Amino acid sequence: AQSVTQLGSHVSVSEGALVLLRCNYSSSVPPYLFWYVQYPNQGLQLLLKYTTGATLVKGINGFEAEFKKSETSFHLTKPSAHMSDAAEYFCAVSENEKGNNDMRFGAGTRLTVKP
Amino acid sequence: EAGVAQSPRYKIIEKRQSVAFWCNPISGHATLYWYQQILGQGPKLLIQFQNNGVVDDSQLPKDRFSAERLKGVDSTLKIQPAKLEDSAVYLCASSLVVASGNTIYFGEGSWLTVV
Repeated sequence: AQSVTQLGSHVSVSEGALVLLRCNYSSSVPPYLFWYVQYPNQGLQLLLKYTTGATLVKGINGFEAEFKKSETSFHLTKPSAHMSDAAEYFCAVSENEKGNNDMRFGAGTRLTVKP
Repeated sequence: EAGVAQSPRYKIIEKRQSVAFWCNPISGHATLYWYQQILGQGPKLLIQFQNNGVVDDSQLPKDRFSAERLKGVDSTLKIQPAKLEDSAVYLCASSLVVASGNTIYFGEGSWLTVV
């Protein structure tokens, strides 16, 4: 079964600095990969997703992620952090095999942005 | 477009009591999901419906959890009797169809505390 590992449960950056949140996946078939963001007391909101095609995916709020099959990674980046980016970020993988949408989430990375 | 609606937002019950959560998905979405998110962890799928049929309930603790989607629209998740370890956020989500890669849209969650 597919799984996701997010390296670093907490990441702290200064405002204006590069944001890098790491995600590695395990999947027996070509995966679909997602990044979701969760603000306090709210549900999850999709940032971006990779299904097929271009491996560099651009999402909302200036975030992007690159699918690297050789490294089984899907790291999330943003060139310049903003205070409003402080939230919990979840990487998820869904396998294109059984026809259902069995999405598995990582444990999450909490991003703190310092002024 | 209205999002996924959930109620109640917050619930505190004593162990061995019962609780029910309600969800109304985005209009036209055939697939409905219930996830459990324990503090500090990523969401875990409990059950997935396609219209009024169950697609996957392999991770649902069936001795105490039940869910239904009788008319293929809104859904109810019940816990009876509740245990302390059931304290979590219960997230309802929906997608247009069941196929892998489809974006899953989440509600704001129902926060359960079992004391």
